[in-house]
This record gives sequence, structure tokens and C-alpha cells, in this order.
Amino acid sequence: GAVVSQHPSRVICKSGTSVKIECRSLDFQATTMFWYRQFPKQSLMLMATSNEGSKATYEQGVEKDKFLINHASLTLSTLTVTSAHPEDSSFYICSARLLRGLSYEQYFGPGTRLTVT
Amino acid sequence: DAKTTQPNSMESNEEEPVHLPCNHSTISGTDYIHWYRQLPSQGPEYVIHGLTSNVNNRMASLAIAEDRKSSTLILHRATLRDAAVYYCILSIEGGQNFVFGPGTRLSVLP
Repeated sequence: GAVVSQHPSRVICKSGTSVKIECRSLDFQATTMFWYRQFPKQSLMLMATSNEGSKATYEQGVEKDKFLINHASLTLSTLTVTSAHPEDSSFYICSARLLRGLSYEQYFGPGTRLTVT
Repeated sequence: DAKTTQPNSMESNEEEPVHLPCNHSTISGTDYIHWYRQLPSQGPEYVIHGLTSNVNNRMASLAIAEDRKSSTLILHRATLRDAAVYYCILSIEGGQNFVFGPGTRLSVLP
């Protein structure tokens, strides 16, 4: 159990276009999902916290108008990179939070490789 | 979030045990200790987590110091598939977002 999927796994888009990435919790409901970005040879950096039915909370320095997050159901969060530029090329990873017993666990998706040409 | 420090890299021979250390001297009483690992071009994979007592699961063991200022992830018999970046992360009981440090890159030699 506790599987998180992402779609697409990789995408190439032209500069100026928008790209939508989906994150799904397949066998559990997640009121909270997280979006991370990872550049080559670096660690994961949190971009935003996605809450079902409410607005996302963005980390400092992440433009909310550029990275649109929608968490319309308990199993789906989407990240839309608007007007993408080459510097947005990165590995985008989502995670979903699951309460087990007294503590939370996070389960990560396989990631989406975005290349902006 | 409380910080953790880990060695940048470690090496192990195949089929030998591996002890991956993590220091978290500013840990608070409600922080859980989580370990994840990440293979190239994949999302992080949950390994184990604990609060105070040592924990065992099918993947690894987690040994937590009595003062909780450090912990050690133990892989009992390293395989080539265990080569990955291992992250030690603290999260408060409420399960807030994880702060990833650089982790430890484990190489397993055949």
C-alpha cells in the first residue's frame, strides 16, 4: 500500500508554454500533498504544500502565479508550470502524507523530468 | 525544522553490514526520525522511522541514541541495489513538510 504516482514521467516543452503534472495517491486519501523540485546533483527543495479544498502554501521564493497548484480531491494534486523557461527544467517530485498510528509518513511519487527547450 | 548532519559519502562492500550515521543534536521531544533513500532519477523511498526506541523492518534497522541526538541506519547485508543517497530527516509530530539535507551517497562495491 501507500503508492503515489506521477504523470507524466518526463516531458519536453517549448519555452513559453505551460505544463501540467499530476500527482495521485493510489490506495489512500491524502489531505496534504507536497511538491518538491530537485536540480542535478542537489537535494530536494520544497516548493509548496498542497491542501485539499484550500489554497496551497508556497515556500519563500517560489512564485505562486508561475507554479499553480490545485488539490481538488483527496487523491489528486496537480502542478502547472506556466510560461515555462529553460531554467524551470528540473525533476519535480510530489509526496502525499499518510497518518499511521501516531505519526505521519510521507510517500513520494517517482518524479517528473521537465525539460524546457 | 531541526537540522541533521550526515557524512557526504560512504562505501561498503557487498553483503557486508552498513552503518549510516546521522547527528541531530537540536532534536525536540516530538520530532520523529525518518530515513529515506533515493536512487538516480527516482523519487525518495521510505526506509524506516522512529521516535525513541530502536526499530526494525524488512529493509533496515534504526538505532536511536538514548539522548536522541544521533541515530544510525543499519543495512544488515548491503546489496548493489542499496546504492543510493540516504536522507535522515526530522519531522514534528504533526507531520509537517520534510527538510532534505544533502544526504549520504552510499556506494556498494561488488
